[in-house]
Amino acid sequence: GAGVSQSPSNKVTEKGKDVELRCDPISGHTALYWYRQSLGQGLEFLIYFQGNSAPDKSGLPSDRFSAERTGGSVSTLTIQRTQQEDSAVYLCASSLASGGSQYFGPGTRLLVL
Amino acid sequence: KQEVTQIPAALSVPEGENLVLNCSFTDSAIYNLQWFRQDPGKGLTSLLLIQSSQREQTSGRLNASLDKSSGRSTLYIAASQPGDSATYLCAVHMDSNYQLIWGAGTKLIIKP
Repeated sequence: GAGVSQSPSNKVTEKGKDVELRCDPISGHTALYWYRQSLGQGLEFLIYFQGNSAPDKSGLPSDRFSAERTGGSVSTLTIQRTQQEDSAVYLCASSLASGGSQYFGPGTRLLVL
Repeated sequence: KQEVTQIPAALSVPEGENLVLNCSFTDSAIYNLQWFRQDPGKGLTSLLLIQSSQREQTSGRLNASLDKSSGRSTLYIAASQPGDSATYLCAVHMDSNYQLIWGAGTKLIIKP
């Protein structure tokens, strides 16, 4: 079956522009996670969705970052007024339930010029 | 605060050798522990998940062990191959917490 997919795979934008990153989780997975990985760094948790519960946004680095998950499936991560330090690989993962094995998408590589 | 450490940061071994990657964590009250591999420019692939009640999990040439009391997990790779070259990350779920706490990874190079 299909795994987690993300789009676009690469995004180059100018400082100050808004960007939207998309994640399609594995069908039936109730939990969805967003992470960020900067060059040479470990993974940084951003936000978590579980079913219809309110998302945990505790990892979002600033109010320029927001995310939605529509219909318990597709999720969009939005970064407003991008800054150069936002450049990173943004990874999405899903799991059947909270605490289960997480399956990752290929990531979106974001470069802010 | 849980901290996850992976040592060494990088490891290079000849093809065919058996090897062990280490992961340590400071708080033993974990829910489970996962090992992942990450290939350059790609996402992460889940390798093994060990529940807190388990001692080990095996998949093919991979064997992961867990010793909660000492705060350690090891990933054993038998008969290493060049295709095993990747960065290996461990991550823990804490009790009643869905967040994964990540180690920084061990970059493994298998020399042909």
